[in-house]
Amino acid sequence: GAGVSQSPRYKVAKRGQDVALRCDPISGHVSLFWYQQALGQGPEFLTYFQNEAQLDKSGLPSDRFFAERPEGSVSTLKIQRTQQEDSAVYLCASSLEDPRGEKLFFGSGTQLSVL
Amino acid sequence: DQQVKQNSPSLSVQEGRISILNCDYTNSMFDYFLWYKKYPAEGPTFLISISSIKDKNEDGRFTVFLNKSAKHLSLHIVPSQPGDSAVYFCAASVDNAGNMLTFGGGTRLMVKP
Repeated sequence: GAGVSQSPRYKVAKRGQDVALRCDPISGHVSLFWYQQALGQGPEFLTYFQNEAQLDKSGLPSDRFFAERPEGSVSTLKIQRTQQEDSAVYLCASSLEDPRGEKLFFGSGTQLSVL
Repeated sequence: DQQVKQNSPSLSVQEGRISILNCDYTNSMFDYFLWYKKYPAEGPTFLISISSIKDKNEDGRFTVFLNKSAKHLSLHIVPSQPGDSAVYFCAASVDNAGNMLTFGGGTRLMVKP
């Protein structure tokens, strides 16, 4: 497909379990973003990559959250020892080069439910 | 502390009429504002934006108005169509950087045929 692809679409985890969420950006897109959207809220910035370099991780809520993009394409957001407050939709977005807001293409998200 | 607020969680409008969605912000450093539209089970898509040097930007049926002194912006959709039914997010940023976007909580617009 031509869009940003995220998997899995839904993930149910038991509290304390580790999870890994995958994002396949649009081919050739340099910039990649992760956002967290809690129920009834707007998306909140988590982290930003340019190619494989993580340029901003100021939005990661705790050291249980870790993101990587080792080859500058696919990215994985890992959450260790999940807690109920981690339940949210995790959105990935990419842009060709220009990281401006108008240029972001969002995926459909991964809905994480922590029981 | 919510820096961007959309105080109306939902709005219902008749087809053909005007839809007005409102957004307030508190951070005076914000200098770029965007609206995104989100259908169920899809990611947000960019709709329209405005720089702080302007007070109005128009694109077809969509117009965004910015009142800097009131720290308020609004999105007008005229005429509203059933396909406009979606959740609309207001976002603000510094330097229009994607990693500096702060989103509001969204307003669900329902356009009735």
